[in-house]
Amino acid sequence: QSALTQPASVSGSPGQSITISCTGSSSDVGSYNLVSWYQQHPGKAPNLVIYEVSKRPSGVSNRFSGSKSGNTASLTISGLQAEDEADYYCCSYAGGSAVFGGGTKLTVL
Amino acid sequence: EVQLVESGGGLVQPGGSLRLSCAASEFAFSSFSMSWVRQAPGKGLEWVANIKQDGSEKFYVDSVKGRFTISRDNAKNSLYLQMNSLRAEDTAVYYCARGGYSYGSWGQGTLVTVSS
Repeated sequence: QSALTQPASVSGSPGQSITISCTGSSSDVGSYNLVSWYQQHPGKAPNLVIYEVSKRPSGVSNRFSGSKSGNTASLTISGLQAEDEADYYCCSYAGGSAVFGGGTKLTVL
Repeated sequence: EVQLVESGGGLVQPGGSLRLSCAASEFAFSSFSMSWVRQAPGKGLEWVANIKQDGSEKFYVDSVKGRFTISRDNAKNSLYLQMNSLRAEDTAVYYCARGGYSYGSWGQGTLVTVSS
């Protein structure tokens, strides 16, 4: 049950694209297409932005996209906007249990 | 709109116990696995436990095994987390979330502080 590995921080200018990686193992990310991503603004509960690797919930902007290759999943946000500044967490199914990444702080410059 | 409302948090001494509750509404509670996720102050999210729709299967993070028990009452649309032998490192906001491993809905969280 080791936490998934994410970069501590990423940044980008408005209009640019950024990608956040999430590296796990063959016990979680590599074995299941059940990776989800969450956006969390300060003092708020997390909000689901991607599920099952690349699916977007209703109401989430199509600027958010997800992918996976081997043991690493990725979240890409295109056309960065000021409101995207937040913490982002990946999460993977791990055979009954689940495991989160350590989180990535996105700064919009 | 899905609603999840946690309660039961508070200040407890090390070694003490607390029982968290989560009242669910506006969805078919018995049709969904449910989970508890926590967040220590200034830290990231940590999955704690989940429970299948009928309560037949439960899973826990290693750090709480033997101390925490997740349960549910589908007749009352409620999820619970019994926390025993609490430690300082259990201090966190505890969120109730709909789903077993992907969480489309979250409660507002309840703060548990373990301190003497």
